[in-house]
Amino acid sequence: ETGVTQSPTHLIKTRGQQVTLRCSSQSGHNTVSWYQQALGQGPQFIFQYYREEENGRGNFPPRFSGLQFPNYSSELNVNALELDDSALYLCASSSLRGPRWGYTFGSGTRLTVV
Amino acid sequence: KNEVEQSPQNLTAQEGEFITINCSYSVGISALHWLQQHPGGGIVSLFMLSSGKKKHGRLIATINIQEKHSSLHITASHPRDSAVYICAVNREYGNKLVFGAGTILRVKS
Repeated sequence: ETGVTQSPTHLIKTRGQQVTLRCSSQSGHNTVSWYQQALGQGPQFIFQYYREEENGRGNFPPRFSGLQFPNYSSELNVNALELDDSALYLCASSSLRGPRWGYTFGSGTRLTVV
Repeated sequence: KNEVEQSPQNLTAQEGEFITINCSYSVGISALHWLQQHPGGGIVSLFMLSSGKKKHGRLIATINIQEKHSSLHITASHPRDSAVYICAVNREYGNKLVFGAGTILRVKS
């Protein structure tokens, strides 16, 4: 049983640049959710992907976008980076058959925008 | 007001002490999760509850659906238990997790 792998683990970008973060999905899971965690706070839901389509979105602007691939892995793209985008980005895979199947989290990508 | 509230925010205990972390929520839920986050950032799922009580080793999680409250207990605490413990809920309708702000636990030897 594989876990969830996120890459890269750390990243430094300049304001205005674009970034792509990657997340694998645990074997048997078909859904990937992305979360942003600012320092000292709980994670905030960005969006979820199921069968390659967005399946719910939190209160984040359109410059946050994503993709899911046929193998259920996913990317998070952020355009026009702002200083406030500095955070830990977490992804979690699950099965859309319901929360009773649980979530598997990745170790996160720590993004610093300077 | 946040939909998921945890208390305390910070907790320092001596090795061996019994620890309780509380979580209250204000929405209908289909499941509640207790998660552990270490300084590196990765999150480990400890429990998923929809009713009653679950036990795994020294960890016990309970939930009272009527009172919209859950507790995480750690018996015989150890310095390796030091981490951030986060409560998160699946809303009754919808597909996202809503997280509490976390409880920072430090167990001293």
